[in-house]
Amino acid sequence: DIVMTQSPDSLAVSLGERATINCKSSQSLLYSSNNKNYLAWYQQKPGQPPKLLIYWASTREFGVPDRFSGSGSGTDFTLTISSLQAEDVAVYYCQRYYHDPPLTFGGGTKVEIK
Amino acid sequence: EVQLVESGGVVVQPGGSLRLSCAVSGFTFEDYSMHWVRQIPGKGLEWVAVIRWDGYDSYYADSVKGRFTISRDTSKNSLYLQMNSLRSDDTALYYCAKGSLSDTVMSPFDSWGQGTLVTVSS
Repeated sequence: DIVMTQSPDSLAVSLGERATINCKSSQSLLYSSNNKNYLAWYQQKPGQPPKLLIYWASTREFGVPDRFSGSGSGTDFTLTISSLQAEDVAVYYCQRYYHDPPLTFGGGTKVEIK
Repeated sequence: EVQLVESGGVVVQPGGSLRLSCAVSGFTFEDYSMHWVRQIPGKGLEWVAVIRWDGYDSYYADSVKGRFTISRDTSKNSLYLQMNSLRSDDTALYYCAKGSLSDTVMSPFDSWGQGTLVTVSS
């Protein structure tokens, strides 16, 4: 099975500073026929279900603030929060949706305020 | 507004069975694949199963294959997860989730329910 590895497991960032989360896939998520990376990012706040933030590796879901951005291609991806706000405290997960099921999630990265 | 509401989570003994339900509204149910995802409290997300938009195929995580069955009833706008031979490591919060892309099982999940808690314990 394809393995999704996130790093770091947790990070503490000062308000207004940048937070960077990495996600690595054991196989390429780039589909050559449409040149799209089948990688999504989710945010999960305490006591809530996950919320889709980004899909196709870099497309923000409707209503997601533009301080959230996704980048990367193939096997290496990054979620960046450009200026951390208090409401961004959460666990963030990457997920692949290419190849066959299972639709594997990464292990999660907990973001806290320093 | 898209809504997904899970139900059926209870305390069950090891070896027992349980059926979870997810009532959906706010979108054309038969156009989208539907998923179950579980989460042990305080831990990460584990994808469990998916059923095609037309109900003609389904896929499972290795950890539940042969024990769990996903199904859907378009007339009732409902998704189900039949769970048999339950084990203590099946204890988790179970979410139903909607695929965001029509006519494919491989898509991100744009809507989630609040989850229903299954506890397997004697």
